[in-house]
Amino acid sequence: DQQVKQNSPSLSVQEGRISILNCDYTNSMFDYFLWYKKYPAEGPTFLISISSIKDKNEDGRFTVFLNKSAKHLSLHIVPSQPGDSAVYFCAASALPGNRKLIWGLGTSLGVNP
Amino acid sequence: DTAVSQTPKYLVTQMGNDKSIKCEQNLGHDTMYWYKQDSKKFLKIMFSYNNKELIINETVPNRFSPKSPDKAHLNLHINSLELGDSAVYFCASSQGPFVTYEQYFGPGTRLTVT
Repeated sequence: DQQVKQNSPSLSVQEGRISILNCDYTNSMFDYFLWYKKYPAEGPTFLISISSIKDKNEDGRFTVFLNKSAKHLSLHIVPSQPGDSAVYFCAASALPGNRKLIWGLGTSLGVNP
Repeated sequence: DTAVSQTPKYLVTQMGNDKSIKCEQNLGHDTMYWYKQDSKKFLKIMFSYNNKELIINETVPNRFSPKSPDKAHLNLHINSLELGDSAVYFCASSQGPFVTYEQYFGPGTRLTVT
């Protein structure tokens, strides 16, 4: 039972353009969402997070949007750079306790120079 | 200086063997985790320790036994290895037990059971 779904296994964009990675969730109790980035042969690294009380959070080139009614979040990367090529994981956590992350399968982003 | 390190990086072993994976963090964090990433690339929490106390214990076969000798170390021992145990195992740490604390991951241990 996949509670966090990243339906696009891969995405390819041109350098300088916008990358949009999508994530859908099914559990209405999820109230905290995160994006992690993973390079090959390395562990995931934290990118950005958003609480359900917000609908947008921005950090430099990275912006996460949350649409609670649609149970959908997206990560925007503007402008995309070749170094952004990695697998991006969406993860979510539910009340109560918020101690456990539920992860999506990831989307592999390729940014072409 | 690696923040979260795991040994070994690769582990190839036969069915029925017992093996251990070690994890160390030098970040001074209170909470440590073991995750399993299976062949379908699902990343799933297995265990979490906070101040050496087990706080998350997912539905994992009891052949898997974590051990935290101190706050900086979390080891994973696996008995009677099976083919389905083949996966990448990630260790992680965070300042506290809640997901609002950023988790720092090790590079992973690729376990192959033949």
